[in-house]
Amino acid sequence: DTGVSQDPRHKITKRGQNVTFRCDPISEHNRLYWYRQTLGQGPEFLTYFQNEAQLEKSRLLSDRFSAERPKGSFSTLEIQRTEQGDSAMYLCASNPGTDTQYFGPGTRLTVL
Amino acid sequence: AQSVAQPEDQVNVAEGNPLTVKCTYSVSGNPYLFWYVQYPNRGLQFLLKYITGDNLVKGSYGFEAEFNKSQTSFHLKKQSALVSDSALYFCAVRDSGTASKLTFGTGTRLQVTL
Repeated sequence: DTGVSQDPRHKITKRGQNVTFRCDPISEHNRLYWYRQTLGQGPEFLTYFQNEAQLEKSRLLSDRFSAERPKGSFSTLEIQRTEQGDSAMYLCASNPGTDTQYFGPGTRLTVL
Repeated sequence: AQSVAQPEDQVNVAEGNPLTVKCTYSVSGNPYLFWYVQYPNRGLQFLLKYITGDNLVKGSYGFEAEFNKSQTSFHLKKQSALVSDSALYFCAVRDSGTASKLTFGTGTRLQVTL
């Protein structure tokens, strides 16, 4: 399978714990995006990388959130001191510098 | 700022009948428009896009969409619905002048029945 992959697919954590998600984009896609989707809503943009550079961050991305893309390949999204409001599906997408973003299966986070 | 409106939470259609899922948008520049489909507990699957050129674009699984600049709409259509088309459909837009985020609508659930 050469699509976007995300790990883990599901994560259950207790409030206050830190969590980290990983996204592996399609090979040689230089752009990588993170979105958050809550129940009944469309995905909302969080942040965007071109290669290893983080070029844009949404105001949704509070200080507890950090994303990295070392070496311009895979990316990680970390949430520190999780809150119940962080419960959502976290989606990763990539594209090779063209128009279409290709999405991974998502990581569903549940904060108890 | 860019935005998308999907005015219908749910669309119900009988198998074999035509379907339309509505989408209107707002951008400051020229729009790039997309439709994605989402099956339960899955990510988004790309269906089709409008960038430039013909106003009628064709995509996967027999879906097509018509770009209407004067009405700022990009409705998704299919001539003959299948039960397997039942899913959540999202319209998205980005301004052609940016390289980053897509802005999505809230989604429309399509229910196709026998």
